Amino acid sequence: AQTVTQSQPEMSVQEAETVTLSCTYDTSESNYYLFWYKQPPSRQMILVIRQEAYKQQNATENRFSVNFQKAAKSFSLKISDSQLGDTAMYFCAFALSGTYKYIFGTGTRLKVLA
Amino acid sequence: DTEVTQTPKHLVMGMTNKKSLKCEQHMGHRAMYWYKQKAKKPPELMFVYSYEKLSINESVPSRFSPECPNSSLLNLHLHALQPEDSALYLCASSQVVSASWETQYFGPGTRLLVL
Repeated sequence: AQTVTQSQPEMSVQEAETVTLSCTYDTSESNYYLFWYKQPPSRQMILVIRQEAYKQQNATENRFSVNFQKAAKSFSLKISDSQLGDTAMYFCAFALSGTYKYIFGTGTRLKVLA
Repeated sequence: DTEVTQTPKHLVMGMTNKKSLKCEQHMGHRAMYWYKQKAKKPPELMFVYSYEKLSINESVPSRFSPECPNSSLLNLHLHALQPEDSALYLCASSQVVSASWETQYFGPGTRLLVL
């Protein structure tokens, strides 16, 4: 069975600084997809970034980038130039290729401080 | 339009009530999902509809009854719920259900309180 672990329940960062959220997963499969979703307080969950396991290049979306280490089964999210609007719960999610089901981590609550 | 809407935003119901949650999307997505999310926990998948047919039921109690009247609309009918069913109910949609790389678009959720 696949599992996803987010070991940092809560983090805080000063505005304009950089923060890294960690995520590790366990699977014996080789084809899968990884996602970071953001859920702001009382607002809907949105996709931040996704990574295909077969791609070696790390995904980047503006201020958000990932450090994907397939051998180590690690998928961390780096947020650069943190903004107050980045305050949210961040969920790491895993999905096997060809399946419908996301396996979510327990989440990291990030607070950006002014 | 990348929006999934859900009504109502909040719902309070007694254990003997019957109520329904509604979810709508107009992105042409053919897969729709219901999730249950308890406070400070990740979403848990309940049901998946693919092309308006129930594809997956994650062993959800029969007091939850999903319905997909058309490709844009998804309902969740509630009957004889228990207080432990109080949670945020999220709807999501994606282009297709079998392609795991497809982004799921989530609605804002209905916050349900069962008294």
